[in-house]
Parts: sequence; C-alpha cells; structure tokens
Amino acid sequence: DVKVTQSSRYLVKRTGEKVFLECVQDMDHENMFWYRQDPGLGLRLIYFSYDVKMKEKGDIPEGYSVSREKKERFSLILESASTNQTSMYLCASSPGTGTYNSPLHFGNGTRLTVT
Amino acid sequence: GNSVTQMEGPVTLSEEAFLTINCTYTATGYPSLFWYVQYPGEGLQLLLKATKADDKGSNKGFEATYRKETTSFHLEKGSVQVSDSAVYFCALSDLYNFNKFYFGSGTKLNVKP
Repeated sequence: DVKVTQSSRYLVKRTGEKVFLECVQDMDHENMFWYRQDPGLGLRLIYFSYDVKMKEKGDIPEGYSVSREKKERFSLILESASTNQTSMYLCASSPGTGTYNSPLHFGNGTRLTVT
Repeated sequence: GNSVTQMEGPVTLSEEAFLTINCTYTATGYPSLFWYVQYPGEGLQLLLKATKADDKGSNKGFEATYRKETTSFHLEKGSVQVSDSAVYFCALSDLYNFNKFYFGSGTKLNVKP
C-alpha cells in the first residue's frame, strides 16, 4: 500500500512565524500535491510538483511556497503565517503522466492553527 | 474549465436506508471520476473510481456510474450503516494537466442507529 506521511497531525504557530509542513511518500510517485481543506469550501489546491525541483502553482498559492529536493519529499512553507492560514492541510501523491486514471493517495492531514 | 458540484449536506439517514449523493461535473476533456471518503480525523481514502463513460465503480456496497450524457457520477448505497458516517467527496482528474484533481465541496453523511 502507498503510504503518505505528514510529519505533524497538529501544529500551533504564532502570526508571522515561518512554518514548514513536511510530507513523505514511499511509492516512487512523480506527482505530489498540497491542498488545504476548509468547511464548505472542500479541497483547494495550493501547489503541486510533477518532478524533483519542479513546482506549479495551484488555485490558491498566495502566501505559500514549496520545495521538492528529493522525489519522496514535498514541503509546504508558510513564509509568514497569518490567521487566515488556519486550516487542515492535506498532502497527496500519484504516479506520473501515462497513468491518468490513477487515484491520489492522501496523508492524514496536518491541522494548523495560527494564533 | 473543470469543476465538480455535489449536493450540500449534511445528509441524515437511518440505518439501512438508501443513500444517494448527487455529483455533476464540467470538464474540457475526458476525465476520470472518483469518490473519496473522509472519516473523522483522517485524510481522504479512495472509495471507487470510473475511467470512461458507462463505467460503474463499486466498493463496500457503494456504486457510481459515469454518465457522460448527463455529466453525472452519483454515489449510491442500498443500505447504509452507522459506520458509513463520514464526508464524501466527488472528484475528477484532468489527463491533460498533470493529472490535477478537482474536488467537490464534500457531503457529510450522518447515519443514525
């Protein structure tokens, strides 16, 4: 089974702090994604990466950046955390192009609270 | 563009009732369609999928049929259990854009004993 591991289940940070959310997958997937989940809004794509050192903006990239130095690891960075970034963050991975009907595999999420 | 619309919740049913959660989509190409389930405190798990028109996905008693003519992928289950209480997400994947997924807003299901 594919395993996607997010390093923290719960985080509490202060406004203005730099925050790192880490995600690791163990199935050699090319694609990795970061979503945030908010009540009534479903899942919104922040950033995704289709290869090492490659990244693409999703629908709501403002206030975030990402890093993919190794294939198995995809980090989400909040440069200066704000209260409106309080949310559930979900990491996901999938195989690369040519496997278009493959599902996303999700981690268990990190619930971030910014005070 | 691509988008997914699903019925708003919460949906509250008694055990053994019939379940339908409606999902419609808009897509520029020929997407694959998925249903995911999220139990409290967990990430999303794949429930079922369908990759082309008229395909039926099924798992754990849940079913959904890919209807191209009505652009729909409604989730059904004949007899729900308390353990089915969760949030259900309909999604499509875009073959032509790095397999990006587009999700509906989720429908919360509460099943009462």
